[in-house]
Amino acid sequence: DTGVSQNPRHKITKRGQNVTFRCDPISEHNRLYWYRQTLGQGPEFLTYFQNEAQLEKSRLLSDRFSAERPKGSFSTLEIQRTEQGDSAMYLCASSLGLAYTDTQYFGPGTRLTVL
Amino acid sequence: TQLLEQSPQFLSIQEGENLTVYCNSSSVFSSLQWYRQEPGEGPVLLVTVVTGGEVKKLKRLTFQFGDARKDSSLHITAAQPGDTGLYLCAGGQGAQKLVFGQGTRLTINP
Repeated sequence: DTGVSQNPRHKITKRGQNVTFRCDPISEHNRLYWYRQTLGQGPEFLTYFQNEAQLEKSRLLSDRFSAERPKGSFSTLEIQRTEQGDSAMYLCASSLGLAYTDTQYFGPGTRLTVL
Repeated sequence: TQLLEQSPQFLSIQEGENLTVYCNSSSVFSSLQWYRQEPGEGPVLLVTVVTGGEVKKLKRLTFQFGDARKDSSLHITAAQPGDTGLYLCAGGQGAQKLVFGQGTRLTINP
C-alpha cells in the first residue's frame, strides 16, 4: 500500500487557464475527499465521493470547479478560468468508508500558483 | 457553521520543555483527529479519538478527548527539535468531511 498520491505536486499557471489535478487513493478505500488549504490556515472541505458518487459539495466549490471519480478509483479536480484567489494547496484524502468514525489519510497535495 | 479553535496559534519553546495545545468547539464531534504537517506536504495522521474522556499516548505525546466530545488537547513532554511542525486538529461528524482548526505552529529550539 503506497498511500494517497497526487499529481502534479506543483502547478504554476496564468490567470484564465484551466488546470486539472489527479488523486489516486489508497486501494480499496471507498471514500475520496478534496480539501483546499491556504497559507496559515487549516484545510477546508471542498467535496467528497462515495465510490463514483459525489455526495457533498462545499459552497467554496464555485461553478469553475468540477470533480469526478468516474470508476470509483482515481479522481480529478478541474479548475476552469483560474483566478489568483485559487492559489492554494489542494489536498486529497481517502478513507475506507465503512465505519461511522472513519479516518482520512491525506496525500502530499498539489500546490497551485496562479500568476 | 462548525468551528474548531486551536490555541495557541504559534508556540516557540526550548528543547526539554513541556507544552499543551488546545482544540475547542461549541459543536459535538463523533471523532477527533490530530495531524502533523510539514511545509509543502500533506497532513500526517497522529491519532484518532472517538470516546468522550478518551486518552491516547504516542511516545511523548498525550491526546485527550473531552467528556462532551467538544474539545481536545495535545500534550508533549520533553519536547525535541524533531517535534517542530504544524499541528492540526480536525473534527468529524460521521464518516464525512472533517472540520479543521487553523493549526498550531510549533517551534522547538535546541
